[in-house]
Amino acid sequence: QKEVEQNSGPLSVPEGAIASLNCTYSDRGSQSFFWYRQYSGKSPELIMSIYSNGDKEDGRFTAQLNKASQYVSLLIRDSQPSDSATYLCAVTSSGNTPLVFGKGTRLSVIA
Amino acid sequence: NAGVMQNPRHLVRRRGQEARLRCSPMKGHSHVYWYRQLPEEGLKFMVYLQKENIIDESGMPKERFSAEFPKEGPSILRIQQVVRGDSAAYFCASSPTTSGFGNTIYFGEGSWLTVV
Repeated sequence: QKEVEQNSGPLSVPEGAIASLNCTYSDRGSQSFFWYRQYSGKSPELIMSIYSNGDKEDGRFTAQLNKASQYVSLLIRDSQPSDSATYLCAVTSSGNTPLVFGKGTRLSVIA
Repeated sequence: NAGVMQNPRHLVRRRGQEARLRCSPMKGHSHVYWYRQLPEEGLKFMVYLQKENIIDESGMPKERFSAEFPKEGPSILRIQQVVRGDSAAYFCASSPTTSGFGNTIYFGEGSWLTVV
């Protein structure tokens, strides 16, 4: 069974610090990796997608992928209180298979 | 609003009643996915549909649950004879025609079902 594992948190960081969120996955055939942010009572919102090993940066967010270690992470620089949310890691092996989500990591940025 | 549209946003049903949740995908998207999120749990895949076809229903409970995406109109997730354990947020997502990589999927705002 394909599994995506995340530390449930909560992860607390002070405002302005770097938040590091981690995710591991079990399916070695996974090709596409996504990070979603979900505020309480709201729907998931796509933050980043990454397909190749290495880093991908978008504003304050950096996604890192290491397929050999089956590990994907999300770094949030200059964390803001508005970043406080649950971050969901999602993985899929191909365009025809549905995304498998982790349970999410709850991030709390303390002002 | 060009996003994924779900309705109703909130639905209350008594045990034994039927719940129908509707989803209209984003314009230009032909793939629809239904996910369920129980309180304090992650998103669990239920079913993946294209127009008039169920592609993958491996996450759908074997009984009481069904889904369709007709040629015309929204996708519908139907839950018959609801029980309290069906209380959850049901999210619909859509994506465009598949490419070589996994498509980015975009979520609707969800339908919150409460069974009393």
